[in-house]
Amino acid sequence: DTEVTQTPKHLVMGMTNKKSLKCEQHMGHRAMYWYKQKAKKPPELMFVYSYEKLSINESVPSRFSPECPNSSLLNLHLHALQPEDSALYLCASSRTGQGSYEQYFGPGTRLTVT
Amino acid sequence: GESVGLHLPTLSVQEGDNSIINCAYSNSASDYFIWYKQESGKGPQFIIDIRSNMDKRQGQRVTVLLNKTVKHLSLQIAATQPGDSAVYFCAENMNSGYALNFGKGTSLLVTP
Repeated sequence: DTEVTQTPKHLVMGMTNKKSLKCEQHMGHRAMYWYKQKAKKPPELMFVYSYEKLSINESVPSRFSPECPNSSLLNLHLHALQPEDSALYLCASSRTGQGSYEQYFGPGTRLTVT
Repeated sequence: GESVGLHLPTLSVQEGDNSIINCAYSNSASDYFIWYKQESGKGPQFIIDIRSNMDKRQGQRVTVLLNKTVKHLSLQIAATQPGDSAVYFCAENMNSGYALNFGKGTSLLVTP
């Protein structure tokens, strides 16, 4: 099983809403990632969790709050977002947090902030 | 600035022809490179990877070439099919760290 699943597939939220994105993998990977992708652009790294601990935060605004409840799950809590936060949010996982191992991506959550 | 880039933003090829997608990188410390395919509405899909101690690696219908002298990476797709139409990203990993640095992407369009 080389699948990373993400829910929901689509999300529309107002600027005052609180919502969460969910990601799950059962490949035994110990590193999980959140990326943001705008249209016609490459994915941009937001957060990295390694062994359930936050390893990298790429200067992401605090309105994005990641959480890793266990080695298979990764959440992204959203609060007070701006319209410019509308994008495709991708989750990925890899065997370890150290590089040279391919990252497997989920299908993404298409987020629209109104 | 971005250290990984692509020579052509779009590439149109006829079905059955071979495709070559190019990528340049500027960081000589990069030691791992990977190609992803992203179809519309989907997440990036792993195609093939190569480590810096190799010059060439082959997969099914795909070949990745690495030229460290000129810091150039290419993806060759043999007998291109309509299902190969997608955006292709190269990405590099530096010093075995966590992050992949993605290039801008090349849109491949396969015409019948």
